[in-house]
Amino acid sequence: DAGVIQSPRHEVTEMGQEVTLRCKPISGHNSLFWYRQTMMRGLELLIYFNNNVPIDDSGMPEDRFSAKMPNASFSTLKIQPSEPRDSAVYFCASTLTRGEEKLFFGSGTQLSVL
Amino acid sequence: SQKIEQNSEALNIQEGKTATLTCNYTNYSPAYLQWYRQDPGRGPVFLLLIRENEKEKRKERLKVTFDTTLKQSLFHITASQPADSATYLCALDTGRRALTFGSGTRLQVQP
Repeated sequence: DAGVIQSPRHEVTEMGQEVTLRCKPISGHNSLFWYRQTMMRGLELLIYFNNNVPIDDSGMPEDRFSAKMPNASFSTLKIQPSEPRDSAVYFCASTLTRGEEKLFFGSGTQLSVL
Repeated sequence: SQKIEQNSEALNIQEGKTATLTCNYTNYSPAYLQWYRQDPGRGPVFLLLIRENEKEKRKERLKVTFDTTLKQSLFHITASQPADSATYLCALDTGRRALTFGSGTRLQVQP
């Protein structure tokens, strides 16, 4: 099993640019989560999907952030326009929802907005 | 609001000793609590889950306790090794039907 695959591994962009982060969950998993990690705020839940449907997006910081899951094997997190305070590591995680789910994380995308 | 607190200061111990990490939470009664390990540049990796009706759970050199009265979980690593050096995160469902994580405690095991 390849695990959760995220791309790109690193992203450096300039303020105002659009950034798209990608995630391929583990095959067969039906829940997908986007987290953001910073030194100041730790690991924060941004949004999660169940069976491709967004369930809770209350952690999305602003309207500049959007996430989609067009099918069971792909999700994107988009920031438009990006700002320096968006710099963080963005993690995608997936699980098979049966209760008490343990999460499987990808290696993350290190985003730097200059 | 829900708070999950872990000791933000790094824990330094000698190889062979037992490391004990603490996770405290407030304003919620989770049905279970999970512990993860995170190495630099990597995503968190699941270690153990303990349910509210379980006092203790063990896995090899790892032991987790869960005191729902104190609203606290303790995570122990016995016979610690330098390879155990990492950040350890606790996580629980705070009502969003998804895991909320503590800020983590960095463990450094000295040879």
